[in-house]
Amino acid sequence: DAKTTQPTSMDCAEGRAANLPCNHSTISGNEYVYWYRQIHSQGPQYIIHGLKNNETNEMASLIITEDRKSSTLILPHATLRDTAVYYCIVRVDKNSGYALNFGKGTSLLVTP
Amino acid sequence: DVKVTQSSRYLVKRTGEKVFLECVQDMDHENMFWYRQDPGLGLRLIYFSYDVKMKEKGDIPEGYSVSREKKERFSLILESASTNQTSMYLCASSNLRGYTFGSGTRLTVV
Repeated sequence: DAKTTQPTSMDCAEGRAANLPCNHSTISGNEYVYWYRQIHSQGPQYIIHGLKNNETNEMASLIITEDRKSSTLILPHATLRDTAVYYCIVRVDKNSGYALNFGKGTSLLVTP
Repeated sequence: DVKVTQSSRYLVKRTGEKVFLECVQDMDHENMFWYRQDPGLGLRLIYFSYDVKMKEKGDIPEGYSVSREKKERFSLILESASTNQTSMYLCASSNLRGYTFGSGTRLTVV
């Protein structure tokens, strides 16, 4: 199973772009990169996922390097409510379903 | 709005008690999961189920069992609760797009 490496914590000023990096150098060709976030006292929330191409939705953008060994989650205009722990996960297929292995994530603090 | 509902937000149990944590989803998802979350350790997978009556061990199954008699319900059972099982327990269900988590049950074993 591919593992991910993320910085333990990051700060970002409100209104600026937050760029959260993730390394997944052992990722295999059919594994997706998922991003979730967890706001204090809540369950994790899905943000975005991708395989090879860059992806964008209403919450964020996901940039995956050409060799797929790393990716960056971009929150284009961070707000105080984006303060959360962000998890970068490589999907693991197990039997008919799949299980996501959450690491420790990056604790993002958005400051006024 | 689609939901994963965990029966209790907070729970206090005594050492040695048998504890049931219930989880219900209304999205007709095949897959359901139980995680525990502890400070400094992140989320760790206890058990998951990809179909009714099917179950698979996760990374830390010791001291736990599960039951999936109906598609919408996935129960986590602590056969004999111990203080090291004090934790936040999170249930989730999924389709191929992603997971939906419940709000969590904070269990304290005294």
